[in-house]
Parts: sequence; structure tokens; C-alpha cells
Amino acid sequence: DAKTTQPPSMDCAEGRAANLPCNHSTISGNEYVYWYRQIHSQGPQYIIHGLKNNETNEMASLIITEDRKSSTLILPHATLRDTAVYYCIVRGSGSARQLTFGSGTQLTVLP
Amino acid sequence: DSGVTQTPKHLITATGQRVTLRCSPRSGDLSVYWYQQSLDQGLQFLIQYYNGEERAKGNILERFSAQQFPDLHSELNLSSLELGDSALYFCASSVESGGGHGELFFGEGSRLTVL
Repeated sequence: DAKTTQPPSMDCAEGRAANLPCNHSTISGNEYVYWYRQIHSQGPQYIIHGLKNNETNEMASLIITEDRKSSTLILPHATLRDTAVYYCIVRGSGSARQLTFGSGTQLTVLP
Repeated sequence: DSGVTQTPKHLITATGQRVTLRCSPRSGDLSVYWYQQSLDQGLQFLIQYYNGEERAKGNILERFSAQQFPDLHSELNLSSLELGDSALYFCASSVESGGGHGELFFGEGSRLTVL
């Protein structure tokens, strides 16, 4: 699976959009981009995933660049409860489906 | 609530002891994954089972073993415990192994403290 690079930390004002970047320049054609978050030692929580098209669900939007070498997770209206470590993970479909977590981005939503 | 149940939530034991952590996957999920999260290592994949069979192995020590039972629950056995084994142990489940894609659902973890 391709390696990802994320900033170690980011701040966002409550009510504003949080834009979390991720670089995955070595991604291959059959690899998906997944986003998970972990709120203070709770179990990681799935947010969204995509292959090459932009995706949106009730939690967030995922914007993947045309060359697929980077992506951005957007939380449209961040709340204090969105404070968490956000993990960007690249994984191909195949027999080994475990996720490899990196260091993630600590997002702090400020009041 | 992810639907994945882990017990016990907290466990304190001494070095050299053995413990068993239990995981019940979401109803219908055939795959179970175990992860270890310690302060200095982040989330580390240990092992995956699919419908009772080992499917993938990660950074799992020889002192650790796991299995998945016919009712699909899984147990992670940790023996000859050392101080460095103190960590959060997460179980996750998913519908299938291999082929397509999809999310893993994580339990709330078992916090192990080795004194």
C-alpha cells in the first residue's frame, strides 16, 4: 500500500470548514483513499473513502486530485466533537484488507 | 456504537502473566482484525482472521496468539507479559476478506496495563 503524508496537527474554528490534506504520491491505480478518525483513545471510526471521484456523505467530503497524488478531507462545519486524530490511509483491494495507520493529523476545533 | 464488542475494557496484571482479550464482531461480519496501540507505536496491525482461518499477520509477537471460533468471535491471547505490552488493543470487523473494499468497524478497545 502507498505511503501517506499528513501534517501532524491543525486547528480549526468551530463552525468553520476543516480541510485536512493528505499526500499519497505513490498511489497506484487500484488503491483507494480511506479516512478514519480516532477521538481520544476510542476505537477508530470510518469517515469516507474514494478511488478517483470526489465523494460526499453525511460526515464529510473527500476531494481527490485528478492525478490522485493527494486528497483533502473536508468537514464542512466543524464542531468541538470533531476534535480527533484523522488518519489518511491508502489501501488496495485484495486479499489482505487490513489498514495500515500512520501518524495522522491531530485536528483541534477551537471554540 | 460500532456493533463490535470487546471485553474486558480494562485489565491490570503483572509481568509474566497471561491474559485473554475477547472480541465479538458485528453481526454478519466474517473478518476480525486485531490492532495494538501503544503511546510510542501508534496503531499497529497484529493479525486478521476470516471465517475461522488466519488471513494476514502483521507485527504480532510470538508470545501473542489469536483464534477465531465457529461463532466468529475472536480471542487474542497474550502470554509472558512484559511492561511494554501495556497498550490499547482494538478489535475490528468487516463483512468480507479480499476482493472488494469497505470499511472496518472498530470496538472500543481493551486497555491492558502490565505492572
